Amino acid sequence: EAGVTQSPTHLIKTRGQQATLRCSPISGHTSVYWYQQALGLGLQFLLWYDEGEERNRGNFPPRFSGRQFPNYSSELNVNALELEDSALYLCASSVGRATNEKLFFGSGTQLSVL
Amino acid sequence: GNSVTQMEGPVTLSEEAFLTINCTYTATGYPSLFWYVQYPGEGLQLLLKATKADDKGSNKGFEATYRKETTSFHLEKGSVQVSDSAVYFCALSDYTGGFKTIFGAGTRLFVKA
Repeated sequence: EAGVTQSPTHLIKTRGQQATLRCSPISGHTSVYWYQQALGLGLQFLLWYDEGEERNRGNFPPRFSGRQFPNYSSELNVNALELEDSALYLCASSVGRATNEKLFFGSGTQLSVL
Repeated sequence: GNSVTQMEGPVTLSEEAFLTINCTYTATGYPSLFWYVQYPGEGLQLLLKATKADDKGSNKGFEATYRKETTSFHLEKGSVQVSDSAVYFCALSDYTGGFKTIFGAGTRLFVKA
């Protein structure tokens, strides 16, 4: 069974550009979560999608957005990139939305903003 | 809002030493608690979990007990191995402010042979 897959592995952009990151959840998982892992800051919750809808978002500006497709894959878009957006972006999926559900993580996309 | 606080690392131990990584949380609801581990070059994976007060999660020799009275979920292992070298994240999940799982900052563990 394939795990959570993310693409690209690395992404280099310059300030002001837009970045698009992609995530495919485990087959059968309907919930997708996005996290930002900046150096020394742990994982910061960005967005949660379930059944095609945005269900919750963390304390990030509106230039962080995304969507979930009918096949439950997801895209994270970051507009007007800033230097501090450089981080590892992790996608996770789960079967449902119960609090005791574990998250399955992908290996991440390393975004570098120059 | 909810929060998770972990002891700062790195933690350096010799093989077969006893490990404790402290984790405390703040939550207004009844969260589930987790420990995730990130081995070098790999993604995060669940190590253990506990879903209610006094539950003990265990896996691979690691244990943690959900202590509601002290709002803690400390990770312990009696005898660490070099292969346990990794970053450990404490996390909680509940519906406060909308369903989400939040993580602590992570604690890096180095185990020397």
